[in-house]
Amino acid sequence: AQSVTQLGSHVSVSEGALVLLRCNYSSSVPPYLFWYVQYPNQGLQLLLKYTTGATLVKGINGFEAEFKKSETSFHLTKPSAHMSDAAEYFCAVTRSGNTPLVFGKGTRLSVIA
Amino acid sequence: DAGVTQSPTHLIKTRGQQVTLRCSPKSGHDTVSWYQQALGQGPQFIFQYYEEEERQRGNFPDRFSGHQFPNYSSELNVNALLLGDSALYLCASSLWGTGDSYGYTFGSGTRLTVV
Repeated sequence: AQSVTQLGSHVSVSEGALVLLRCNYSSSVPPYLFWYVQYPNQGLQLLLKYTTGATLVKGINGFEAEFKKSETSFHLTKPSAHMSDAAEYFCAVTRSGNTPLVFGKGTRLSVIA
Repeated sequence: DAGVTQSPTHLIKTRGQQVTLRCSPKSGHDTVSWYQQALGQGPQFIFQYYEEEERQRGNFPDRFSGHQFPNYSSELNVNALLLGDSALYLCASSLWGTGDSYGYTFGSGTRLTVV
């Protein structure tokens, strides 16, 4: 079975500071990994995804993530936080085209002015 | 290009009642998955529909059922509502076989409150 662990249910950073949201996964087969963002009272928006190939993945809004197989990690980073980045972030894993996504519990990002 | 559309946006029901939630997938998508997101939790997979058949199911009781129509839209039905069914219900669409490559497109959800 696949699973996702997101370390830290709440992360708070200052505007302009580095954002680092941690995600570790468990999978017996090569994983496909995703980061989604959820703004209050909204659905999920895809930030970025790792399928195959380059392990450093760039997404929307300046976010990027690096797939590290040896560490079973897929941490999300952004060099400089913006107030508009405040939201809930979810890491998810799947293993094939039709297998459902398995989500972590989410990390709430707060950005302090 | 319309994304995933869900209706209604909010719903309040009484324990024991039945509810139907609706989803129209993104244009070009033929597969619909439903997720339940309880407060403070990540989404949990309920089931997936393709070609009008339930293809996969998560760990949810038979009180949760669904349907997919020929135009790919879908309904989620919940019978005998419990207080614990209160959650945000998310619909996600994809093209069959490509969820791993292209991801899933999510709707804004239906907020169900059971009182």
